[in-house]
Amino acid sequence: EPEVTQTPSHQVTQMGQEVILRCVPISNHLYFYWYRQILGQKVEFLVSFYNNEISEKSEIFDDQFSVERPDGSNFTLKIRSTKLEDSAMYFCASSDRLAAMEFFGPGTRLTVL
Amino acid sequence: DQQVKQNSPSLSVQEGRISILNCDYTNSMFDYFLWYKKYPAEGPTFLISISSIKDKNEDGRFTVFLNKSAKHLSLHIVPSQPGDSAVYFCAASKGGSEKLVFGKGTKLTVNP
Repeated sequence: EPEVTQTPSHQVTQMGQEVILRCVPISNHLYFYWYRQILGQKVEFLVSFYNNEISEKSEIFDDQFSVERPDGSNFTLKIRSTKLEDSAMYFCASSDRLAAMEFFGPGTRLTVL
Repeated sequence: DQQVKQNSPSLSVQEGRISILNCDYTNSMFDYFLWYKKYPAEGPTFLISISSIKDKNEDGRFTVFLNKSAKHLSLHIVPSQPGDSAVYFCAASKGGSEKLVFGKGTKLTVNP
């Protein structure tokens, strides 16, 4: 069964450093998403991406965040200068059509020290 | 701004009995609702969905009920199994928007 994969599973970084979280969505999917879940809190939408551009983003997704689809398979989330409060599980998801069921990856746990 | 609410943080049931997980929403523009299950250290896994034109959708042991007038949906699991123990998230989306709005989750424990 096709699945969304994410690497690394755990990333530890120093405050102020840049991190790139990587995702490989399901191959025939067209819509891509990043969500995050701070420990003990709910899953929150960050950004959606379609047709090589951001289609929707939340207030959390400020100038420190960017997304890219550098090739036909990867979808990345970059945090330019990490803050302590960026520590969370980051989930990538993909879907094959608008407002359809989204398939989630296993998540990357980001720890900012 | 909690548009999707799961007011019970936890629920404990006996194996073989029914589990009922509840979810309320405030935004009447939501037209698609989903339930996800999440095990520790894993991403949410899609379980079942329902569109606003229906009031019930069934898939095996899982049934989702939607009451639009009350802005309420529920997930029924019958019979409950120990492997169903997980955190269950209710999520909603509205037409034209791609993002899912999640509730905080309900931790279900099914005791053998």
